[in-house]
Amino acid sequence: KAGVTQTPRYLIKTRGQQVTLSCSPISGHRSVSWYQQTPGQGLQFLFEYFSETQRNKGNFPGRFSGRQFSNSRSEMNVSTLELGDSALYLCASSFSPDGELFFGEGSRLTVL
Amino acid sequence: GDSVTQMEGPVTLSEEAFLTINCTYTATGYPSLFWYVQYPGEGLQLLLKATKADDKGSNKGFEATYRKETTSFHLEKGSVQVSDSAVYFCALSLAGGTSYGKLTFGQGTILTVHP
Repeated sequence: KAGVTQTPRYLIKTRGQQVTLSCSPISGHRSVSWYQQTPGQGLQFLFEYFSETQRNKGNFPGRFSGRQFSNSRSEMNVSTLELGDSALYLCASSFSPDGELFFGEGSRLTVL
Repeated sequence: GDSVTQMEGPVTLSEEAFLTINCTYTATGYPSLFWYVQYPGEGLQLLLKATKADDKGSNKGFEATYRKETTSFHLEKGSVQVSDSAVYFCALSLAGGTSYGKLTFGQGTILTVHP
């Protein structure tokens, strides 16, 4: 069974640009969540989608957005990039209410 | 709000030593508790979980018991190996209903095991 796949794995952008990250969940998983991981702030929840609807949202500015498609694949977008957006962005999928998440390897974004 | 506090790290041990990583939590409801592990260059993997008070989660020689009275979920292993070197995260979920994609993580504890 294939795991959670994130693309691209690495990318470099400059301030002011925008970026789109993609996540393919495990087959059959309808919940997809996104997390930002930085050395200073640790793992912070961005948002969660379930059946194409945003179900939960973390405390991030409106520059961070996401969506989910009918096949459960998800994308997140960050507009007007800032240096502080440099981070590892992790996607996770889930199929059950007990909170067990299955994580991808992440997309490492560097903003110059 | 909900929060998870892990012991300050990093932790450095010799192979076959005993490991304890402390984790305490604050939650408004009845959370499920998790330990995730992140090996270098990889995403997080679930190590073990417990969904109600007094449950013991175990996997790969690691154990943690859900203690409601002390709001704790300490991770233990009797004999660590070099391959256990990783970052360990304690997390909680007020799962069920509409919240099961959202975890609150502790800050992570870096474990290094020397031969």
